[in-house]
Amino acid sequence: DQQVKQNSPSLSVQEGRISILNCDYTNSMFDYFLWYKKYPAEGPTFLISISSIKDKNEDGRFTVFLNKSAKHLSLHIVPSQPGDSAVYFCAARGGADGLTFGKGTHLIIQP
Amino acid sequence: DAGVIQSPRHEVTEMGQEVTLRCKPISGHNSLFWYRQTMMRGLELLIYFNNNVPIDDSGMPEDRFSAKMPNASFSTLKIQPSEPRDSAVYFCASSFSGTGNYGYTFGSGTRLTVV
Repeated sequence: DQQVKQNSPSLSVQEGRISILNCDYTNSMFDYFLWYKKYPAEGPTFLISISSIKDKNEDGRFTVFLNKSAKHLSLHIVPSQPGDSAVYFCAARGGADGLTFGKGTHLIIQP
Repeated sequence: DAGVIQSPRHEVTEMGQEVTLRCKPISGHNSLFWYRQTMMRGLELLIYFNNNVPIDDSGMPEDRFSAKMPNASFSTLKIQPSEPRDSAVYFCASSFSGTGNYGYTFGSGTRLTVV
């Protein structure tokens, strides 16, 4: 039973346009959400996070939006660049330290 | 800091053999996590330690899997005996809990292939 779901295994976006990656969760106890980025043959690296008391957090080209009532969060990347091509994982924390990850979305930025 | 260091990077072994994966967390971090990544299940938490003590091992798939953290700078994940379905990428991650920053630092992973 997946508590964090990324329903799009892959997403293709043209360079310069906006990339929107989506994530849904089922556990209402989650209080902190994170996005990780992963290149091939490397470990995931932390990208951006948001607390459940906020609905938006912005860091440069990256913005995360949280809709608690819908149990949905999204990551916006604008403008998209070739170096953004990677797998993006959504993760959530609830109570204990362990993070629950989604299966990831492979973002491909087309030139 | 060299980051989280995992060894080996790749491991190919025969079914039934014992496999030991190693991890050195970032100095000063007090939490350590072992994750497994597969296509079917994504990133699964296997076990995590806080201050060298195992806190939650509910993700460990079977008794064939065991993990230890004898000190703050070293952890092992052992599979004995290994099976082909254990083939996956195993990641170790560490963090410093208590600051409100829940981000982990991951190692580069160990790609395990059991034939």
